[in-house]
Amino acid sequence: QSVLTQPPSVSGAPGQRVTISCTGTRSNIGAGYDVHWYQQVPGKAIKLLIYGNNNRPSGVPDRFSGSRSGTSASLAITGLQAEDEADYFCQSYDSLTVLFGGGTKVTVL
Amino acid sequence: QVQLVESGGGVVQPGRSVRLSCDASGFIFKTYGMHWVRQAPGKGLEWVAVISHDGSHKVYGDSVKGRFTISRDNSKSTVYLQISSVKPEDTAIYYCAKSQVLQCSDDCQLFSIDVWGQGTTVSVSS
Repeated sequence: QSVLTQPPSVSGAPGQRVTISCTGTRSNIGAGYDVHWYQQVPGKAIKLLIYGNNNRPSGVPDRFSGSRSGTSASLAITGLQAEDEADYFCQSYDSLTVLFGGGTKVTVL
Repeated sequence: QVQLVESGGGVVQPGRSVRLSCDASGFIFKTYGMHWVRQAPGKGLEWVAVISHDGSHKVYGDSVKGRFTISRDNSKSTVYLQISSVKPEDTAIYYCAKSQVLQCSDDCQLFSIDVWGQGTTVSVSS
């Protein structure tokens, strides 16, 4: 069981907005450590989507956005597209180690 | 382009050792920290270890301390993961990954990972 908690799955129709939460504790996200987000599509390399809570690497569409508040963080996908169907993972830091969330499967209906 | 290619995986008997390699290209390898992350079948990502750009700092996940050793050879642009006394729960895809931040030292764990390899699979079975 991951220290960072994500919903196992979320779904939405094309064009809709979905959000994925990543809930931590006062010793990780709540302590102010950055949250990063990754996308995993089967057969493709894992991709960095958001770094430092709300920054997009070049090439990542602005449909993806991140935020952090208190002991939680969120990834939002607006204008959902079929190609967004994938697993999404959050990452943060606690006690010298890297933490990953358990992952959320996004299904495009 | 930036590329990470892992190798060394396969079927390993319980109790044996295995060494994974990751060949890097397309960036100045000696200036970036490097991670290993694994993913058991049907499961999420589990961070394994990180090594600083110059090899002076190494940190391990709690579940692998004492059995896993991360190392690097900057002259070969290669990072390694030695797994000793393998257990069935070590069965996973092992990904090599690059820290986004230049020259992270004892703080590489804070930063994001901007490049991932395709992974090499280790299956522990007798």
